[in-house]
Amino acid sequence: KQEVTQIPAALSVPEGENLVLNCSFTDSAIYNLQWFRQDPGKGLTSLLLIQSSQREQTSGRLNASLDKSSGRSTLYIAASQPGDSATYLCAVNNNAGNMLTFGGGTRLMVKP
Amino acid sequence: GAVVSQHPSWVICKSGTSVKIECRSLDFQATTMFWYRQFPKQSLMLMATSNEGSKATYEQGVEKDKFLINHASLTLSTLTVTSAHPEDSSFYICSASKGTGLGYEQYFGPGTRLTVT
Repeated sequence: KQEVTQIPAALSVPEGENLVLNCSFTDSAIYNLQWFRQDPGKGLTSLLLIQSSQREQTSGRLNASLDKSSGRSTLYIAASQPGDSATYLCAVNNNAGNMLTFGGGTRLMVKP
Repeated sequence: GAVVSQHPSWVICKSGTSVKIECRSLDFQATTMFWYRQFPKQSLMLMATSNEGSKATYEQGVEKDKFLINHASLTLSTLTVTSAHPEDSSFYICSASKGTGLGYEQYFGPGTRLTVT
């Protein structure tokens, strides 16, 4: 059974810092991995989707990397802003349909 | 494109009553819809997967007689929480997919907060 772990569970940084969020998964037979953002009381916003054949994806100040063999992904946020404060979730899609397994999330607070 | 809505966005009901939550794909046909449950400060847990016109597939530990799922059309799925109790209070999120199988992305709704008093 796939298990997804995110470290740290919570993170507080001053504005302007570059930061890295970590995601690890136990079964490397994944089809893709996705990073989401969730604001309090809201649904999920997809940030980046990395196919298993890819090593990284970039969107603006966000960069996600994938090391499938070691079961790890990182989300890099450059020049963090208070508006980046949210919970970030990673989810993996195993090679069995399009079901997602979610990690526990990292609650990020960027202080002005 | 790929917008998913949920209604209501929040609902308060009394213990013992039933409440229905709707999930709609607004600009695409959703062959498959997923229902998740999220407790405070926890991640999403998949409750069930529904394919249009078929019975839902429930995850282990989810009572199918308590959480009734209907996916009667390609744009609408409903989750009915029957005889709700305070422990059913949670954030329920649906997602919709254009197909079943690898490569079909899930598009998430904004969630419904259920409070049972």
